[in-house]
Amino acid sequence: DQQVKQNSPSLSVQEGRISILNCDYTNSMFDYFLWYKKYPAEGPTFLISISSIKDKNEDGRFTVFLNKSAKHLSLHIVPSQPGDSAVYFCAASVNNAGNMLTFGGGTRLMVKP
Amino acid sequence: NAGVMQNPRHLVRRRGQEARLRCSPMKGHSHVYWYRQLPEEGLKFMVYLQKENIIDESGMPKERFSAEFPKEGPSILRIQQVVRGDSAAYFCASSRNRTPNTEAFFGQGTRLTVV
Repeated sequence: DQQVKQNSPSLSVQEGRISILNCDYTNSMFDYFLWYKKYPAEGPTFLISISSIKDKNEDGRFTVFLNKSAKHLSLHIVPSQPGDSAVYFCAASVNNAGNMLTFGGGTRLMVKP
Repeated sequence: NAGVMQNPRHLVRRRGQEARLRCSPMKGHSHVYWYRQLPEEGLKFMVYLQKENIIDESGMPKERFSAEFPKEGPSILRIQQVVRGDSAAYFCASSRNRTPNTEAFFGQGTRLTVV
């Protein structure tokens, strides 16, 4: 049973445009959500997070939106850059479970120059 | 300050052999988490350890897998009698505290191939 799902395995975007990556979850106990970026042959690196008490968190070009009623979150990257090309993982946790994260399957983002 | 160090980066084992994966957390970090990524899938939590203690091993297979984090030295993930299905990338993360999640840093992973 996949508790965190990323339904788009890949996404291709032109440089300068917006990239929107989506993530759905089923476990209503999740109260903390994170996005990680992963390059080939490297470990995931933290990008941005959001607590369930918020519906939006912004950090530079990256914004995460959370819709609790729909159990859906999205990552917006504006403007997209070729260096953003990577696999993006959505992850969730119950906060008192610390860093025991439940990951989605990932979305491969390709930003074309 | 070195990041989370995992070794070896690549490990090839024949079916039935043992695999030992090492993880040295960042300096000052006493919490270690192991994750496994099967091909074309996301990372799956395996075990959470704090110095000398296993805090949560709910993601560990019941047989052949074990983990330790001794007082001195790296954390070790041990897989006995490996099978082809154990082929995966194994990632370790470390943090200074139990929360918040943003303070966990991942290593580069060990890619285990069972032939």
